[in-house]
Amino acid sequence: KAGVTQTPRYLIKTRGQQVTLSCSPISGHRSVSWYQQTPGQGLQFLFEYFSETQRNKGNFPGRFSGRQFSNSRSEMNVSTLELGDSALYLCASSLLQTSDTQYFGPGTRLTVL
Amino acid sequence: KNEVEQSPQNLTAQEGEFITINCSYSVGISALHWLQQHPGGGIVSLFMLSSGKKKHGRLIATINIQEKHSSLHITASHPRDSAVYICAVRFYGGSQGNLIFGKGTKLSVKP
Repeated sequence: KAGVTQTPRYLIKTRGQQVTLSCSPISGHRSVSWYQQTPGQGLQFLFEYFSETQRNKGNFPGRFSGRQFSNSRSEMNVSTLELGDSALYLCASSLLQTSDTQYFGPGTRLTVL
Repeated sequence: KNEVEQSPQNLTAQEGEFITINCSYSVGISALHWLQQHPGGGIVSLFMLSSGKKKHGRLIATINIQEKHSSLHITASHPRDSAVYICAVRFYGGSQGNLIFGKGTKLSVKP
């Protein structure tokens, strides 16, 4: 079975731009969660989607949004990028919910200049 | 405030040593995860616990619900175990979001 894939793997943007990141979960997994990892804050939960519905959301501003498609693939979008948005963005899929074992993708490294 | 504390922050061991990493949390949880992150960023889920003890190869994870504490043990450590180990919990209610993460323990195993 193919693992979780994320595209792109690396991205460089400038302040004020917007970015869309993509995540394809393991086949059959219906829950997709997104996380931000920075050296200062560590790993932080962004949001969780299940069957195209956002089930939980972390403490991030409205500039961070996401969605899930009927095939369980998910995208997250960050608008009006700030320098502090530079981070590794990880997505993880699980069968039904995040209390199940999560399988992480390799992440997208976003650099905001 | 729902918090997750890990100790130690950094750990250096000689190959073959027995290693323990600790995780404490503040309120009731529905699940606790141990994750392993290698340089380069890839994260692997090692264990998901809600009670008792789990073992996989040289890795053992335990949780004490009453004391709000979990430990990850590595027996006969090897240089390939060098990684950051992260504890994450899902608190009941989940008002702060879903998984809350510890800061991680950076383990270096010397040959």
